[in-house]
Amino acid sequence: AQKITQTQPGMFVQEKEAVTLDCTYDTSDQSYGLFWYKQPSSGEMIFLIYQGSYDEQNATEGRYSLNFQKARKSANLVISASQLGDSAMYFCAMREGRSAGNKLTFGGGTRVLVKP
Amino acid sequence: DAMVIQNPRYQVTQFGKPVTLSCSQTLNHNVMYWYQQKSSQAPKLLFHYYDKDFNNEADTPDNFQSRRPNTSFCFLDIRSPGLGDAAMYLCATSSLYQETQYFGPGTRLLVL
Repeated sequence: AQKITQTQPGMFVQEKEAVTLDCTYDTSDQSYGLFWYKQPSSGEMIFLIYQGSYDEQNATEGRYSLNFQKARKSANLVISASQLGDSAMYFCAMREGRSAGNKLTFGGGTRVLVKP
Repeated sequence: DAMVIQNPRYQVTQFGKPVTLSCSQTLNHNVMYWYQQKSSQAPKLLFHYYDKDFNNEADTPDNFQSRRPNTSFCFLDIRSPGLGDAAMYLCATSSLYQETQYFGPGTRLLVL
């Protein structure tokens, strides 16, 4: 079974509008971390935002916010006021356990294209 | 600025000819990772080093090896590249106290 599911393979968004990227996860661990990365066409994976399983408040980083619903096992990324430079592939990822070196499991990604 | 550096950005090799990709970091992180990412797919972890301890993923082919001579550098060796090994190879680092993994720009490998 997939541990990280991103159900939207691609989406268009109008410049200056907000967009929500869906991510659901599956784990039996009590301690885990959820991450969102952006990958432009250049290929670099750019860290956007992190949510720990014990964090009670939703994470925010500038125009990025993470809508964490633990009971539903979802960790959706919200990008506010989309910009043309936000066009990229977005990956949701999960780290299980608490040891250094725990690997990330990535979802299949969502490609976002921002229209002017 | 502290960062993760990968060289070269693009590498062309011949079928069966050994190739080495390099990664260096100025973050002084304990952990270094190598991921393989094929076109339109998610990154897949090949192995990682926690300090000098090497951790191989169970499904990583023997054709892939790694070396970490010191904290700053880590190398990915592909002993006999096949056409199926053409991919983006991403290096990442993380520290013991901050679990976020920071990625380098990647090396795109083409096998002819």
